Amino acid sequence: GAGVSQTPSNKVTEKGKYVELRCDPISGHTALYWYRQSLGQGPEFLIYFQGTGAADDSGLPNDRFFAVRPEGSVSTLKIQRTERGDSAVYLCASSLNQGSDTQYFGPGTRLTVL
Amino acid sequence: GDSVTQMEGPVTLSEEAFLTINCTYTATGYPSLFWYVQYPGEGLQLLLKATKADDKGSNKGFEATYRKETTSFHLEKGSVQVSDSAVYFCALSDYKLSFGAGTTVTVRA
Repeated sequence: GAGVSQTPSNKVTEKGKYVELRCDPISGHTALYWYRQSLGQGPEFLIYFQGTGAADDSGLPNDRFFAVRPEGSVSTLKIQRTERGDSAVYLCASSLNQGSDTQYFGPGTRLTVL
Repeated sequence: GDSVTQMEGPVTLSEEAFLTINCTYTATGYPSLFWYVQYPGEGLQLLLKATKADDKGSNKGFEATYRKETTSFHLEKGSVQVSDSAVYFCALSDYKLSFGAGTTVTVRA
């Protein structure tokens, strides 16, 4: 079956611009997660959705970052006024339910801020 | 908060050698433990998991046992192949995943 998909696979933008990153989870998965992976490091948690609501956004680094999941399926991570330090691979994962359910990861979006 | 510490790399081995990657964790509750693998040019894939103490996860010849007394989840494989060359991440989950920094493993023919 189809896995988690993310678009675009690569995004190059200029400092100060706005970007949107999209995640399509596995069909039927109610939990959706965003992570950020910097070069040479493990992924770091950003935000978790259960259904349409953000159940935990404690990992968002500042108010330039925002994410939505309006219909409980597709999610969009939005970054305003991008900075060079935002350059990383942004990973999306989904699981059937929350808790200890296995999370399945998408291929990621590589964001480069020039 | 919850955290994971795993063995620093890089690790270079010859084919058929024994591989161990150490992983220890700190958690307030009883999390599930995972090993994820990232092959060159590919996304993160679940390798194995264990959900409670003394559980053993296994897959593709890899094994790891959830040791509550030593707060560890070390990854082992008895005979590695070139195709096992990858970055390995230890992680724990209450619901969100906390990852270690990753260990790069290179297996030479």
